[in-house]
Amino acid sequence: GDSVTQMEGPVTLSEEAFLTINCTYTATGYPSLFWYVQYPGEGLQLLLKATKADDKGSNKGFEATYRKETTSFHLEKGSVQVSDSAVYFCALRGTGRRALTFGSGTRLQVQP
Amino acid sequence: EAGVTQFPSHSVIEKGQTVTLRCDPISGHDNLYWYRRVMGKEIKFLLHFVKESKQDESGMPNNRFLAERTGGTYSTLKVQPAELEDSGVYFCASKGDANSYEQYFGPGTRLTVT
Repeated sequence: GDSVTQMEGPVTLSEEAFLTINCTYTATGYPSLFWYVQYPGEGLQLLLKATKADDKGSNKGFEATYRKETTSFHLEKGSVQVSDSAVYFCALRGTGRRALTFGSGTRLQVQP
Repeated sequence: EAGVTQFPSHSVIEKGQTVTLRCDPISGHDNLYWYRRVMGKEIKFLLHFVKESKQDESGMPNNRFLAERTGGTYSTLKVQPAELEDSGVYFCASKGDANSYEQYFGPGTRLTVT
């Protein structure tokens, strides 16, 4: 079945540091890929998405590129802020499915 | 527009008791999903409603879990009797158009079974 693997956290960075959170997936066909973010006390919010190979999703300075050859969708940001501290979930929606398959989440802590 | 709401935000019950979680989706959203995150692990799909019908309940762990969506509006998820391994955070999400990519999530209900 479909699965998503993402790097374990917590990831602790200083403000303005570069961020990479790795995500790889296993799925048949051509899944859509997502990053969701959960800020403290809130529900998950869609951060960005990519629906086909080589697509780049971007939002709020975050980017991720759908790499079919490496089955990866790594999240990057050039300069993190304290307000980016949250839990980040990589997810996919498999071909013909409507439910999402999530990774285990990566907690990011950004220190001033 | 109000977002997805869930009640209660936190529930602590003893093993063997019954708990009912409620989800109110965004008004007009036909698609409603339940997910669960156990002990900091991945968020796992439980089931999917389209209006009042169960479209996919392949993720329901066992028959102690019962989900309903009367009238195609709010949904409840009942756990009876609760076991220790049911502890976790239960998320609800809704989506309007079947072809839309974005599911809108509620804040979750943290269930602790002691």
